[in-house]
Amino acid sequence: GENVEQHPSTLSVQEGDSAVIKCTYSDSASNYFPWYKQELGKGPQLIIDIRSNVGEKKDQRIAVTLNKTAKHFSLHITETQPEDSAVYFCAASKAFGYSTLTFGKGTMLLVSP
Amino acid sequence: DVKVTQSSRYLVKRTGEKVFLECVQDMDHENMFWYRQDPGLGLRLIYFSYDVKMKEKGDIPEGYSVSREKKERFSLILESASTNQTSMYLCASSEQGDEQYFGPGTRLTVT
Repeated sequence: GENVEQHPSTLSVQEGDSAVIKCTYSDSASNYFPWYKQELGKGPQLIIDIRSNVGEKKDQRIAVTLNKTAKHFSLHITETQPEDSAVYFCAASKAFGYSTLTFGKGTMLLVSP
Repeated sequence: DVKVTQSSRYLVKRTGEKVFLECVQDMDHENMFWYRQDPGLGLRLIYFSYDVKMKEKGDIPEGYSVSREKKERFSLILESASTNQTSMYLCASSEQGDEQYFGPGTRLTVT
């Protein structure tokens, strides 16, 4: 089955810096790669996703890049703010039929003022 | 807005008790999922369902069962709770191949 590795497990940055979280996946048939943000006391919430026919996607301060050849994808957050502090999860799936998401173990991002 | 609700935010049960965790979604989604979340292990899929009365095992189904009698409701059952089932339990729903919407979670402690 699919295996998703996520690094780093914790990341501390100063407000205004950029943050990058990286994930690798094992199943070359995976074609859907969402990123979720989990704030304290809440369930994860989708913040951005990318499908395998696209190499990069951007939404304001966040962007995701995908390298299908190397089977890795990354989340980039620019101009970080304290409210970006949360746990971030990457995931992968085949996104057809009865497929499920396989999640990475998560990255705790701490943005210091 | 999509809403996924879970019956309890916090639950404390004794070893050997039968435990029911309830999840309800209001978006008429076909798919529903149960995960457990443990520090350093991320989200692990316990069971999922693609339709009423249908269920499929996820990665860690041992010690759990599920019930989906109505489309909007998906229940997770711990037949005989054990201390190693102390965890955060998250329910989610989705349409095929689309975003999963998560509930707020139930923190279960088994003593």
